[in-house]
Amino acid sequence: GAVVSQHPSWVICKSGTSVKIECRSLDFQATTMFWYRQFPKQSLMLMATSNEGSKATYEQGVEKDKFLINHASLTLSTLTVTSAHPEDSSFYICSARDQYIQETQYFGPGTRLLVL
Amino acid sequence: QQPVQSPQAVILREGEDAVINCSSSKALYSVHWYRQKHGEAPVFLMILLKGGEQKGHEKISASFNEKKQQSSLYLTASQLSYSGTYFCGTATTDSWGKLQFGAGTQVVVTP
Repeated sequence: GAVVSQHPSWVICKSGTSVKIECRSLDFQATTMFWYRQFPKQSLMLMATSNEGSKATYEQGVEKDKFLINHASLTLSTLTVTSAHPEDSSFYICSARDQYIQETQYFGPGTRLLVL
Repeated sequence: QQPVQSPQAVILREGEDAVINCSSSKALYSVHWYRQKHGEAPVFLMILLKGGEQKGHEKISASFNEKKQQSSLYLTASQLSYSGTYFCGTATTDSWGKLQFGAGTQVVVTP
């Protein structure tokens, strides 16, 4: 149980394009999902908290107009990187919290984004 | 605020023990431990809650000292599969649910 999927796992795009990343909880319902980014050999940095049916909460320094988050259902959250630039290249990981087991976060496999 | 992990890295021979520490300057509600292998997402190991007891998973266990706002992860009789980077994630009493991760501890277990 507690499986989280992400799609795509790899994406390469040109500078200026937008990229959408999906995060799904496969066998549980997640009222809350979290989006992180991780640079090589660094820790996970929380970008935003996504709550089903409401606006996402962004961490300080994260541009909400650049990183659009939508949590349309209890099993799906999406992160759209708008007008991507090379500095947005990173490993993006989502996690989901089971609505009945609030304490534990389960991570998806991550999405590697390379902006050329 | 990011918790502080120590040591940064440790190299072990198979069968040896190691301790990884995680400390916070804020009052903690919970401490979460994850292991990440190169190129993969973090895998949940265990969670310790305020007022909870010491947890264990096979030969990996952890403790939570509420007074010191510290947690320690114990790798006992290490196996090759224990290699990876260990992260602690902490949730404070005023930001319940959101995790701040430490910088990570790289563990290398050699034959």
